[in-house]
Amino acid sequence: GAGVSQSPRYKVAKRGQDVALRCDPISGHVSLFWYQQALGQGPEFLTYFQNEAQLDKSGLPSDRFFAERPEGSVSTLKIQRTQQEDSAVYLCASSSRRGTEAFFGQGTRLTVV
Amino acid sequence: QKEVEQDPGPLSVPEGAIVSLNCTYSNSAFQYFMWYRQYSRKGPELLMYTYSSGNKEDGRFTAQVDKSSKYISLFIRDSQPSDSATYLCAILRMDSNYQLIWGAGTKLIIKP
Repeated sequence: GAGVSQSPRYKVAKRGQDVALRCDPISGHVSLFWYQQALGQGPEFLTYFQNEAQLDKSGLPSDRFFAERPEGSVSTLKIQRTQQEDSAVYLCASSSRRGTEAFFGQGTRLTVV
Repeated sequence: QKEVEQDPGPLSVPEGAIVSLNCTYSNSAFQYFMWYRQYSRKGPELLMYTYSSGNKEDGRFTAQVDKSSKYISLFIRDSQPSDSATYLCAILRMDSNYQLIWGAGTKLIIKP
C-alpha cells in the first residue's frame, strides 16, 4: 500500500475487555515497530519485529500485552483485560532498513472506560 | 532523568518568524538524531535526520547537532501557519534494535 495503515482508528473498550489493534505496514518493509503515545507525551517503544520474528519486546508494559506478525507482514497488538492506564494512542511504524527511516501509521486511539 | 529532554511548550510565534526548537540528550554515544513532525490526530512523519555533529539543511528547515553539549536543534525559517504542529526530536538507538527514544514534543503555533 501507499503507507502504513492502522485499524481501527478509534476504539473504546470497557475495563476488562480484550482488544486487538491491526497494522498493515508498507509492502516489503522488513522492520515493524509498535509504540505507545500517552496524551502530551512522546511515543514509547513497545516491541520490534524483523519479518515474523519478534526480536525485542522489552517495552511491553505487562504480560497483558501481546504482539504477533505471523507471516512477516500484518501485525496485531493485543491487550487483554484492558485497564484505564492503557488509554493511549498506539502507533505502528515500518521501515525497509533497520529503522533509519521509519514510516508511521495514523495510530489507534484507545480509550478504556 | 529521561534520555531525551524537550520542552513541551506551547511555543507561539508570528508568521514569518524564525523558530528554534531544541532538545538535550544524556548519552554521548548517540549518533543518529531525528526530527519528526506530528499534526493533531496523525502519526509522526520524518522531517530530517543528522548523523553525528554538524548541520543539515532542507528547504526552510535546518537541523543542528552539538555533541559537545549534547544539544540538538531544529530551525524553521519563514514560518508558515501550516507549520503549526508538534515537533518531536528522537534518538535512533542503533545498539538496541534501532528503536527510537523520543522527547516529549514541542507544540508549535504559528499565528497568521
